[in-house]
Amino acid sequence: EVQLVESGGDLVQPGGSLRLSCAASGFTFNTYSMIWVRHAPGKGLEWISYISNTSNTISYADSVKGRFTISRDNAKNSLYLQMNSLRVEDTAVYYCVRFRAVREVGYYMDGWGKGTTVTVSS
Amino acid sequence: EIVLTQSPGTLSLSPGERATLSCRASQSVSSTYLAWYQQKTGQAPRLLIYGASSRATGIPDRFSGSGSGTDFTLTISRLEPEDFAVYYCQQYGSSPLFTFGGGTKVEIK
Repeated sequence: EVQLVESGGDLVQPGGSLRLSCAASGFTFNTYSMIWVRHAPGKGLEWISYISNTSNTISYADSVKGRFTISRDNAKNSLYLQMNSLRVEDTAVYYCVRFRAVREVGYYMDGWGKGTTVTVSS
Repeated sequence: EIVLTQSPGTLSLSPGERATLSCRASQSVSSTYLAWYQQKTGQAPRLLIYGASSRATGIPDRFSGSGSGTDFTLTISRLEPEDFAVYYCQQYGSSPLFTFGGGTKVEIK
């Protein structure tokens, strides 16, 4: 069973930094690309960042580009999100998500953690 | 940039009724790249449909997906009490790498 457990969410002041972690288990972590998705209060889901299984390909949403950094440690089955220069609008629940790509079948997010809450406020 | 527009924003229905949710893309999307998710209040989203029409593991057959090009549909044939939730469509592959629709809330009438 896929298990993804996020941690690191906290209350932080605008301009501050946080590092989110995601511990993965129940699958071969180093064969899957991973994603961070967030859900701000009263809003819809927003994709934040993507990292391929070997970390060769990384991508960010424009809203976080230059401020957030995604990384992974396959030896530790862990995914990370370094969040700098945090803004009030970054307040959200952050989900660690497994991405599955099966050519000619589907490209989809098939495993979600329970999320960790980041609150940016003075 | 591909934009996904979901309609209606809110669907008020009774248990046992049929729900039809629409997801319209601003540009053509490969069916392989279109998925649907269900999110209940306070919970993480759950994959329902991938490849526009394939049900994920454990998803009841009252959920079905269809469509191609720019128009996709999620249908719930007979609403069960546990189906009242928010539903999102999502595409992969075009800038930005992933896009979600704004969501459709299915509420009890």
